[in-house]
Amino acid sequence: DVKVTQSSRYLVKRTGEKVFLECVQDMDHENMFWYRQDPGLGLRLIYFSYDVKMKEKGDIPEGYSVSREKKERFSLILESASTNQTSMYLCASSFHFLRREEGPTDTQYFGPGTRLTVL
Amino acid sequence: GQNIDQPTEMTATEGAIVQINCTYQTSGFNGLFWYQQHAGEAPTFLSYNVLDGLEEKGRFSSFLSRSKGYSYLLLKELQMKDSASYLCAVRGFQKLVFGTGTRLLVSP
Repeated sequence: DVKVTQSSRYLVKRTGEKVFLECVQDMDHENMFWYRQDPGLGLRLIYFSYDVKMKEKGDIPEGYSVSREKKERFSLILESASTNQTSMYLCASSFHFLRREEGPTDTQYFGPGTRLTVL
Repeated sequence: GQNIDQPTEMTATEGAIVQINCTYQTSGFNGLFWYQQHAGEAPTFLSYNVLDGLEEKGRFSSFLSRSKGYSYLLLKELQMKDSASYLCAVRGFQKLVFGTGTRLLVSP
């Protein structure tokens, strides 16, 4: 059973604080993703990583950075938190994409989410 | 550009059948996913289509027409536990693009 865990379910921070969100997966997945989910906007991709020490910008990377020092761990960093970063943050992981008749290998598995409030 | 449309909310009765539609316009297409998300929980994988046609998985089926940029998720014999949001996601070149989700409310 795939397990993706996130360091906190709920987090409250103040404007200007540096915030670290941690994600760990135990399935030896190459790919890891950070999304935020807001009402009416759906899931939006912040950053993703296909391998250790590599990262790619998603659709909304501004105000965020990431770190992937180990294969199983992907961290999202808010350098200086702002109120418009109040959101639900979801981490996901998957294998690399290979198209196979029996189905996709790169199905993304999500962690439980971190609800971040910035005051 | 990338655009994925789903209805915001639907209601249905226990035991009924409901169809949730998804239309998409994306640059590049390498498959379409459906996820289920209960309130306060993580999305979980339901189904995947890459070729035209119907994929059936128990009470859930998903259909794809690539020429029309259209998919639907069909839920049969609805149960109260099916009350959740259903997310349509298109795999483009490197990543998934999600729709805003359809909240389904199943009533007794």
